[in-house]
Amino acid sequence: DGGITQSPKYLFRKEGQNVTLSCEQNLNHDAMYWYRQDPGQGLRLIYYSQIVNDFQKGDIAEGYSVSREKKESFPLTVTSAQKNPTAFYLCASSAISRNQPQHFGDGTRLSIL
Amino acid sequence: GQNIDQPTEMTATEGAIVQINCTYQTSGFNGLFWYQQHAGEAPTFLSYNVLDGLEEKGRFSSFLSRSKGYSYLLLKELQMKDSASYLCAVRDSGAGSYQLTFGKGTKLSVIP
Repeated sequence: DGGITQSPKYLFRKEGQNVTLSCEQNLNHDAMYWYRQDPGQGLRLIYYSQIVNDFQKGDIAEGYSVSREKKESFPLTVTSAQKNPTAFYLCASSAISRNQPQHFGDGTRLSIL
Repeated sequence: GQNIDQPTEMTATEGAIVQINCTYQTSGFNGLFWYQQHAGEAPTFLSYNVLDGLEEKGRFSSFLSRSKGYSYLLLKELQMKDSASYLCAVRDSGAGSYQLTFGKGTKLSVIP
């Protein structure tokens, strides 16, 4: 079945450590997105990409980095510069068409050790 | 920029009808989406409106008034499984922009 796969489901980070969250899609979507969700905050956009080898900062990109080397993959690295990384991270993808919704993966819950 | 407002929480009775409102202020508008999100799970797409009026999909309907910057999601014949957060999201009309800005969500509790 087509869909979006995020891994791992749970992740723990030590102080000063970088961690990478995986996102893979087999929907043949051009656009991919990363969101952060905190309690009571809704979804906030971290980074997005509309084409391979190109990506743009969202509203809260500081302390995060991404790459888009393949259409199917859009990994997110949470760097040590992100001082408050504990959150639920959601990856999404969509076709490049105005009426097409974004489809979401099941999320990764990141916590600090 | 965009500003999207939804009520934080609502409670409704099983079998009843509930309306969840969303107001938005945007520099440009190119569509409004509603998503359902159960606790700890991924949001799932419910509906899309870009023109004024009502879109109906089974027990769920969504309404849009662009002139008022207003939408609502109507849930009929409520079931216990409808207890979830409902997210309103607006797409900007900027050239090449397919990003969504999300409201903070409305947590709906359905009680027996």
